[in-house]
Amino acid sequence: DVVMTQTPVSLSVTPGQPASISCKSSQSLLHSDGKTYLYWYLQKPGQPPQLLIYEVSTRLAGVPDRFSGSGSGTDFTLKISRVEAEDLGVYYCMQSVQLPLTFGGGTKVEIK
Amino acid sequence: QITLKESGPPLVKPTQTLTLTCTFSGFSVTTSEASVGWIRQSPGKALEWIGIIYGDDDKVYNPSLESRLTITKDTSKNQVVLTMTNMAPADTGTYYCAHGLDYWGQGTLVTVSS
Repeated sequence: DVVMTQTPVSLSVTPGQPASISCKSSQSLLHSDGKTYLYWYLQKPGQPPQLLIYEVSTRLAGVPDRFSGSGSGTDFTLKISRVEAEDLGVYYCMQSVQLPLTFGGGTKVEIK
Repeated sequence: QITLKESGPPLVKPTQTLTLTCTFSGFSVTTSEASVGWIRQSPGKALEWIGIIYGDDDKVYNPSLESRLTITKDTSKNQVVLTMTNMAPADTGTYYCAHGLDYWGQGTLVTVSS
């Protein structure tokens, strides 16, 4: 299985400040079709995970542009340029280059 | 509009078999590209992918759970059923069904306890 490792485990951020989450995979997420299958989810309290970003850097429709994804191969980053109160929750990275799909352990973002 | 909803017993005893139903609307699982997957989340823990069924009836299971799993579909009812045998307390958690990677149900909490 592809192991996904996220850091930090938790993050406390002042509104308006930036935040960054790292995700590393045990194998390259670059598929032979040229796409890199790395996704970012946000799980707000009491809700299912919601997809924010797919294929490393493409935001889902309606996701604010303060969210950005970057990286390649095995190293990826989710950045929030200016954190807002509604951004609190647990962020997960996920890979789908190989089944079984696997998720990172999560990064809990708290608002100061 | 795509929606999914999980249903099933909130409590099962150890060694029993769990059966969960995912009832969906807004799409059909009749083509090889269409799919419904299952994911679970232990209390306060991260997410674990369980398995998936495609429209051509192909199924892929997480190898760590495969011996205990069956996923079937009923296209006439727009339902996908997850069966997991020999339940244990470690299987306690919220079970989600999902269409693709971006449409998830609200989840159903299953507790395994005697």
